[in-house]
Amino acid sequence: EIVMTQSPATLSVSPGERATLFCRASQSISTNLAWYQQKPGQAPRLLIYGASTRATGIAARFSGSGSGTEFTLTISSLQSEDFAVYYCQQYNYWWTFGQGTKVEIK
Amino acid sequence: QVQLQESGPGLVRPSGTLSLTCAVSGGSMSSNTWWTWVRQPPGKGLEWIADIFDSGRTNYNPSLESRVTISLDKSKNQFSLNLISITAADTAMYYCAGRLEGGGPFWGQGTLVTVSS
Repeated sequence: EIVMTQSPATLSVSPGERATLFCRASQSISTNLAWYQQKPGQAPRLLIYGASTRATGIAARFSGSGSGTEFTLTISSLQSEDFAVYYCQQYNYWWTFGQGTKVEIK
Repeated sequence: QVQLQESGPGLVRPSGTLSLTCAVSGGSMSSNTWWTWVRQPPGKGLEWIADIFDSGRTNYNPSLESRVTISLDKSKNQFSLNLISITAADTAMYYCAGRLEGGGPFWGQGTLVTVSS
């Protein structure tokens, strides 16, 4: 099983600031990585796939980078609607998910 | 754009069987697509359950493999999940999802399953 580890567990950020979230895979997954945003009571919303491709309708302030085992999600200027839990997911071999990073208001 | 909609019983008795269906709309069940089930217990993270390729090839989470069956019915534009010997630990939001090879995943809105007598 490929283990996905996200850091930090919680990120406190002020609106308008930049947020950087990290995800590490236990073995190489090439660029077979997705990022999701989840708000309470809602399904995960796909933000990024292929490590860096924004999904349809996703704002340009969301960007992803990385390959192999190290990945990053950057939110360039946090808006009020961006405070949520973010998950990374690998789909290189089956699916596994990180434990999530909660982005909260500072 | 393909849309997915889960349906299921909502409440299942312990030791019973959970059967869920995912209806695929907005297009046919294309070739080269993986169809997947994922679950999320209340307040917890996401767990992959199983997937099936359009050829019928299946993969199962080893922790659930002895209790799970995934199947595909292209004639009805749907795929299904059966989970036997249900316990309270199976209480979760269940999501169906898909991914065309080379593309990004797409998800349904989920259906809540509660295990209780």
